[in-house]
Amino acid sequence: GNSVTQMEGPVTLSEEAFLTINCTYTATGYPSLFWYVQYPGEGLQLLLKATKADDKGSNKGFEATYRKETTSFHLEKGSVQVSDSAVYFCALSETRGSQGNLIFGKGTKLSVKP
Amino acid sequence: ETGVTQSPTHLIKTRGQQVTLRCSSQSGHNTVSWYQQALGQGPQFIFQYYREEENGRGNFPPRFSGLQFPNYSSELNVNALELDDSALYLCASSDRTGPGETQYFGPGTRLLVL
Repeated sequence: GNSVTQMEGPVTLSEEAFLTINCTYTATGYPSLFWYVQYPGEGLQLLLKATKADDKGSNKGFEATYRKETTSFHLEKGSVQVSDSAVYFCALSETRGSQGNLIFGKGTKLSVKP
Repeated sequence: ETGVTQSPTHLIKTRGQQVTLRCSSQSGHNTVSWYQQALGQGPQFIFQYYREEENGRGNFPPRFSGLQFPNYSSELNVNALELDDSALYLCASSDRTGPGETQYFGPGTRLLVL
């Protein structure tokens, strides 16, 4: 079945460091890909998305490119801030039927130190 | 524009009891999805409702059931609670079914089963 694999955390970085969180997927058809962020004690917020191959999603300095050849959707940010500390989830939207449900990775916890 | 809201925020139940969780979808959205997020894990899809009909279900037993009302708000009911049902329950709304639509999440209901 469809699945999402994220790099294991936690990831600890100093402020202004470069961030990469790896995400690969297994899917039939042409899924849409998402990154969601969860701050402590809160629900999920959509960070960015891409709906077809070679699309680049971007928001708040974060970017991810839909790479069909490597089945990847890695999240990057050039300079992280303390306020970026959160759990990041990669997800795909299945194409099966008309369900559109999301399949999530296990999440990667990011801690940014001043 | 009002976002997705959920009630209650926290709930404590004992094993064998029944629980009802509620979700109000974002204005203009006709689809509600429910997810279960165990501690330290990514959310798992429970089911989705579109225009008051179930529109897909994940790998959850029949004691997990739901409803969607004409105003597109929704309920999640869980019967015969088990200890493993302790989790954060997330509701997400979107404005159409199918892959690629953006699901907007509420803050969640944290359920503890003793």
